[in-house]
Amino acid sequence: DTAVSQTPKYLVTQMGNDKSIKCEQNLGHDTMYWYKQDSKKFLKIMFSYNNKELIINETVPNRFSPKSPDKAHLNLHINSLELGDSAVYFCASSQHKGTQYFGPGTRLLVL
Amino acid sequence: AQKITQTQPGMFVQEKEAVTLDCTYDTSDPSYGLFWYKQPSSGEMIFLIYQGSYDQQNATEGRYSLNFQKARKSANLVISASQLGDSAMYFCAMRGLNAGGTSYGKLTFGQGTILTVHP
Repeated sequence: DTAVSQTPKYLVTQMGNDKSIKCEQNLGHDTMYWYKQDSKKFLKIMFSYNNKELIINETVPNRFSPKSPDKAHLNLHINSLELGDSAVYFCASSQHKGTQYFGPGTRLLVL
Repeated sequence: AQKITQTQPGMFVQEKEAVTLDCTYDTSDPSYGLFWYKQPSSGEMIFLIYQGSYDQQNATEGRYSLNFQKARKSANLVISASQLGDSAMYFCAMRGLNAGGTSYGKLTFGQGTILTVHP
């Protein structure tokens, strides 16, 4: 009965590879988000989708491409991974402008 | 632009005592929401409490209360009767509530405060 789930929980990969992180929410929310938490624990918004439409796109490299096949899913694809991409990526969801609920996070380590 | 400042990198409290975690904010949005999240060592982000900028009363959720002082732009979290399980990093965050505003939809986080509860 997990509300916001992410897969995988851990991701270790080589520089230059392409990887995807998946997110699903069963809360019936209409808005989903991706946040990045860096090594200093600072959290920053990357993207937001409302009803499958991109509404927030912060200054994120083009190598990051979100995709929302439906309201319950928001995936994040990263091309040509770099060392600086190592971080924890959190998916979150909310009903419109309500409280955002976070997934467990995906710990990405680029070697 | 929004800014959240948490000036306490770390706080210590004795079990069963109360503790206040500071948060100040800056925004040009006329309407906004303030949030506190807890991140234990296991890494998940847990929502604790919410305060709307136009709410007349300070928010409370069990042992958590939010001391909202709009004129001072502060939204401090008060945890009463601290428990060992309260040891975690705590984040203050805000978002604009007006559609079309630059801060609409996205949470802006502070740097976090690590709380350690001693037995």
